[in-house]
Amino acid sequence: GNSVTQMEGPVTLSEEAFLTINCTYTATGYPSLFWYVQYPGEGLQLLLKATKADDKGSNKGFEATYRKETTSFHLEKGSVQVSDSAVYFCALSEKNTGFQKLVFGTGTRLLVSP
Amino acid sequence: EAEVAQSPRYKITEKSQAVAFWCDPISGHATLYWYRQILGQGPELLVQFQDESVVDDSQLPKDRFSAERLKGVDSTLKIQPAELGDSAMYLCASSLDPSGSETQYFGPGTRLLVL
Repeated sequence: GNSVTQMEGPVTLSEEAFLTINCTYTATGYPSLFWYVQYPGEGLQLLLKATKADDKGSNKGFEATYRKETTSFHLEKGSVQVSDSAVYFCALSEKNTGFQKLVFGTGTRLLVSP
Repeated sequence: EAEVAQSPRYKITEKSQAVAFWCDPISGHATLYWYRQILGQGPELLVQFQDESVVDDSQLPKDRFSAERLKGVDSTLKIQPAELGDSAMYLCASSLDPSGSETQYFGPGTRLLVL
């Protein structure tokens, strides 16, 4: 079946450092890809998405490019802030009988210190 | 901004007891999802509704879990009897279009602890 693999955390960075969180996927067909973020005590929020190969999703300074050749969707940010500390989930969508289903990775915790 | 509402936020129960969780999706969202998130893992879909109909419950442990969405609006997820392994975060999400928009909006979740 379809699956998503993320780098293990925690990722610990100082403020203004460059962030990369790796995500690779296994899927039949061409799924849409997503990054969701979960702040402490809250539900998941959509951060960005890409629906086809070579698409770049971006939001709040975060970016990720859909790479079909490497089956990857790595999350990057040029300069992290303390407020970016959260758990980040990579996900893909698969369709079953016309209905979308999200398959999530295990999440990567980001800790940013001042 | 409209949000998905869930209650309670926290629930502690003893094993073999019954528990129930409630979700109110964003108004107008026809599709509703219940996920289970075990600590340290990503969410896993338990059940998906389109209006009042179940379209996917393949991962729902049907011997103890049940879900309903009687009027196609809010939904209840029940566990009876609860087991220690059910301790997790239960997340509800909704989306406007089940096949097109592909954006799911999540509620804050209900954290369940079974003793």
